[in-house]
Amino acid sequence: AQSVTQPDIHITVSEGASLELRCNYSYGATPYLFWYVQSPGQGLQLLLKYFSGDTLVQGIKGFEAEFKRSQSSFNLRKPSVHWSDAAEYFCAVGGDFGNEKLTFGTGTRLTIIP
Amino acid sequence: EAQVTQNPRYLITVTGKKLTVTCSQNMNHEYMSWYRQDPGLGLRQIYYSMNVEVTDKGDVPEGYKVSRKEKRNFPLILESPSPNQTSLYFCASSLTSGSRTYNEQFFGPGTRLTVL
Repeated sequence: AQSVTQPDIHITVSEGASLELRCNYSYGATPYLFWYVQSPGQGLQLLLKYFSGDTLVQGIKGFEAEFKRSQSSFNLRKPSVHWSDAAEYFCAVGGDFGNEKLTFGTGTRLTIIP
Repeated sequence: EAQVTQNPRYLITVTGKKLTVTCSQNMNHEYMSWYRQDPGLGLRQIYYSMNVEVTDKGDVPEGYKVSRKEKRNFPLILESPSPNQTSLYFCASSLTSGSRTYNEQFFGPGTRLTVL
């Protein structure tokens, strides 16, 4: 069964600092990987996705993520965070064909300090 | 504007009082799904539908029902709500390709349900 682990429940970074959010997945075949962001009181917005090809994927809002098969990881990065990046971030894996279900991690809450 | 809408956005009810949360999408998507979000558990799938009149259970279907009579609508029904169904509910939709690929799922704004 597919699963996702986000080891960091809460991360605090200073505005302008770099960011890396960790995500590890478990899946038997090539996974389909996603990062979603949830701003307070909002739904989920897709930041980026990995299906195949280049292991470094670019997303919206200046985010990028790198797929590392050997480490079963798909970490999210941003070189310089802005106060508006404060939100909850979810990593998800898909691969259950016939359902297209996404299995989500438990999320990482990002706090930005001035 | 392409979107997934949910109603109501907030609901407080009492144990045993039947309720329906509606979900509608205007993108002509075949696939629709319901998730619940609980602290420390992320989002878990309740039910999904691959197309009209085709529905199936997700990971946590107990206590819920769904129907898919029209392509655009996918209501979530709680016949006899209990306090453990207090949660944040999300509806999602996407195209289905029928092949080994994924299409982006679009999420509604969420419905916060409290069952007393």
